[in-house]
Amino acid sequence: NAGVTQTPKFQVLKTGQSMTLQCAQDMNHEYMSWYRQDPGMGLRLIHYSVGAGITDQGEVPNGYNVSRSTTEDFPLRLLSAAPSQTSVYFCASRRGLNTEAFFGQGTRLTVV
Amino acid sequence: DQQVKQNSPSLSVQEGRISILNCDYTNSMFDYFLWYKKYPAEGPTFLISISSIKDKNEDGRFTVFLNKSAKHLSLHIVPSQPGDSAVYFCAASAINDYKLSFGAGTTVTVRA
Repeated sequence: NAGVTQTPKFQVLKTGQSMTLQCAQDMNHEYMSWYRQDPGMGLRLIHYSVGAGITDQGEVPNGYNVSRSTTEDFPLRLLSAAPSQTSVYFCASRRGLNTEAFFGQGTRLTVV
Repeated sequence: DQQVKQNSPSLSVQEGRISILNCDYTNSMFDYFLWYKKYPAEGPTFLISISSIKDKNEDGRFTVFLNKSAKHLSLHIVPSQPGDSAVYFCAASAINDYKLSFGAGTTVTVRA
């Protein structure tokens, strides 16, 4: 049982480039989300999805897009990378309300 | 505005002693609270949770206390072990809401 799998683990982008961070879970969880972790700020929610075909914005959505075409996959797209998007990104999934979230190993992104 | 606050960025404790981590929240709609542990270069892992209908939950060396009137929760680790050295995040979700709000984290160092 792999849980939540994120790829890549590391990425360096130039300003203005675009890329997609991949996230997949094999636990059949309906709820998935993306967070970014920055020093002193904890984990901040970027986008989330409560099921296939349904996505919504979190607290820091600007510069990011998501889609949810299947229950398993929830990719995060950076449209035009900026240095402010240098961060560690975590994908998570939850079985339901009042349950724990399972996190992937993270993607460390540097935008130069 | 951060709804979950961990006001102590760091905590140093001697091996075998008790570690007490604190967390305050401002949203009175929060009804489910979690603690996560994070090692460097890994994703957060779930430690323990508590529902608002309880004031205490224990799991081995870990106990979480909830004081709803004070909007405060704490995590006690007894006895502290070197492997407990990590960043600990407090998180909360509101009634009928899948989203988790995280605190900024507390770095715990257990001294031999």
